[in-house]
Amino acid sequence: AQKITQTQPGMFVQEKEAVTLDCTYDTSDQSYGLFWYKQPSSGEMIFLIYQGSYDEQNATEGRYSLNFQKARKSANLVISASQLGDSAMYFCAMREGRGGYQKVTFGTGTKLQVIP
Amino acid sequence: EAQVTQNPRYLITVTGKKLTVTCSQNMNHEYMSWYRQDPGLGLRQIYYSMNVEVTDKGDVPEGYKVSRKEKRNFPLILESPSPNQTSLYFCASSLNSLYSNQPQHFGDGTRLSIL
Repeated sequence: AQKITQTQPGMFVQEKEAVTLDCTYDTSDQSYGLFWYKQPSSGEMIFLIYQGSYDEQNATEGRYSLNFQKARKSANLVISASQLGDSAMYFCAMREGRGGYQKVTFGTGTKLQVIP
Repeated sequence: EAQVTQNPRYLITVTGKKLTVTCSQNMNHEYMSWYRQDPGLGLRQIYYSMNVEVTDKGDVPEGYKVSRKEKRNFPLILESPSPNQTSLYFCASSLNSLYSNQPQHFGDGTRLSIL
């Protein structure tokens, strides 16, 4: 089974609109972290937002928020007021384990294109 | 400036010729990791290291070796490269985390082509 599933290979959004990028995960660990990274066409990986498995409140960072539904094992990224510069690949990732091991798994990504 | 530095950025080589991609970080991070990125597959973890002399396999370790003799360096070694190792490679580092809450800092990537 896939540990991280991003079901939207590509999405379009109108500038200034909000968009939700989906991410579901699978783990048997109690302690894990969920991350979203942005990869623009220039190729670098940029950290956007983090949600911990024990966090009761949804994470927010500026225009980014994470809709965390633990029972459903989903961690969707919400981008409000989309900008042209938001056009990029977006990856959901999970960091599992504690103590002696910590593996990281990425999803296959969602390519977001913002339309003027 | 806090950074993860990979070298080379681009390399074209031939099957079977041993190569090393270097990775160095200046943030005193314990955790370091290598990923490969292929179209449609996202990033897949090759190896990671929790600290000096502590390394472990990720999801796709076959054909790769790593070592962690110093905290700042984590080289990726391809002893006998093959064309299916043509990919974009990223090195990343972070603080260790008891609660898996540390984001990783990524290098700029190394594009490898094995002919």
